Amino acid sequence: DTTVKQNPRYKLARVGKPVNLICSQTMNHDTMYWYQKKPNQAPKLLLFYYDKILNREADTFEKFQSSRPNNSFCSLYIGSAGLEYSAMYLCASSKGERLFFGHGTKLSVL
Amino acid sequence: GEQVEQRPPHLSVREGDSAFITCTYTDPNSYYFFWYKQEPGASLQLLMKVFSSTEINEGQGFTVLLNKKDKQLSLNLTAAHPGDSAAYFCAVRTGGYKVVFGSGTRLLVSP
Repeated sequence: DTTVKQNPRYKLARVGKPVNLICSQTMNHDTMYWYQKKPNQAPKLLLFYYDKILNREADTFEKFQSSRPNNSFCSLYIGSAGLEYSAMYLCASSKGERLFFGHGTKLSVL
Repeated sequence: GEQVEQRPPHLSVREGDSAFITCTYTDPNSYYFFWYKQEPGASLQLLMKVFSSTEINEGQGFTVLLNKKDKQLSLNLTAAHPGDSAAYFCAVRTGGYKVVFGSGTRLLVSP
């Protein structure tokens, strides 16, 4: 099974409320990534885990949290959603050079 | 940090024509390069990965060229067909595990 699963596919959130997105993979990949994708823009790297080590991008450091309780699961947590968080959130995993992507979670903040 | 500029953002060609997409990156230490394809409603799928400066033809109707001297990566669909209509993204692996993407090219191939 070479799939990366993301739940849910669509999520509605209210401004100021927390959001938690889930990603899983069963390929025993050591690295898992979260990207934010807005229309007509490049997927923007938010953070990634190499094994248990979390690496967050400097410009999104305080906006997103993540946890990886085991090798297969990785979550993305937004403590207080703002309108600017509306986007597609892509999870990917890798062991080596290639990234495997999930279908994404489309987050709409109202 | 690494920046990747992809052109054109939109491309429309007729069936049988070639479609050329190019990316320019900034970090000379980048060492692995990718093209991903995303069909409507689907996840990004790896089309090709490139490591060295070489021209590669995977036999699927496209050619990838990496020019490390000019820091350019290109994708050429040599005889496009409607099934090639999709979004194409280049990506560059920089130091460590970071992978930076271009903004994508929406390709439409009409019969």
